[in-house]
Amino acid sequence: SQQGEEDPQALSIQEGENATMNCSYKTSINNLQWYRQNSGRGLVHLILIRSNEREKHSGRLRVTLDTSKKSSSLLITASRAADTASYFCATAPKSGGGADGLTFGKGTHLIIQP
Amino acid sequence: EPEVTQTPSHQVTQMGQEVILRCVPISNHLYFYWYRQILGQKVEFLVSFYNNEISEKSEIFDDQFSVERPDGSNFTLKIRSTKLEDSAMYFCASSARTGLNTGELFFGEGSRLTVL
Repeated sequence: SQQGEEDPQALSIQEGENATMNCSYKTSINNLQWYRQNSGRGLVHLILIRSNEREKHSGRLRVTLDTSKKSSSLLITASRAADTASYFCATAPKSGGGADGLTFGKGTHLIIQP
Repeated sequence: EPEVTQTPSHQVTQMGQEVILRCVPISNHLYFYWYRQILGQKVEFLVSFYNNEISEKSEIFDDQFSVERPDGSNFTLKIRSTKLEDSAMYFCASSARTGLNTGELFFGEGSRLTVL
């Protein structure tokens, strides 16, 4: 089964607007993380939210987590052209240890039009 | 700022050849990972490594693959007898010990493998 599926697959908005991306997952998790990937580059960690948290903020980022619906959302406020990238959610399993691999979704490709 | 470094950035090889991808994780990190991303697709977990041994591996990580930390700084992924479908971007990542569960991963820029 797919773990960590984002929607939409692609999103194009105007600079200054807010961008919202969603992620759904299937298994119990310890935490959920969001990463950003510029084209052809490595992944950069944005924010981590634990299973006992419902909302977290970091700068222009706001993440929510609803464990009853097994879903999360990433909101980027006041978007900038430099926010153009792919955004991935990744889940850490509930039952594992520190070396467990994260399971990534397919990502949302965000384009900010100047 | 400390970073994960990977070499080579791009390797082209013939089908059936062996390749070694190298990574230098962040120096005080204890957990190491390899992921791969086939062009345009999702990032897939291959293997995690802790305390000089494999901690977890995915179904993708079969006998064709092996990992090693030969000298306390490098972390290598060896792919034997490469196949066309091994063409992908391979990412190394490392993590500090933050408790009992997987925390933030720091990724390298990746090694693009092209198998002809």
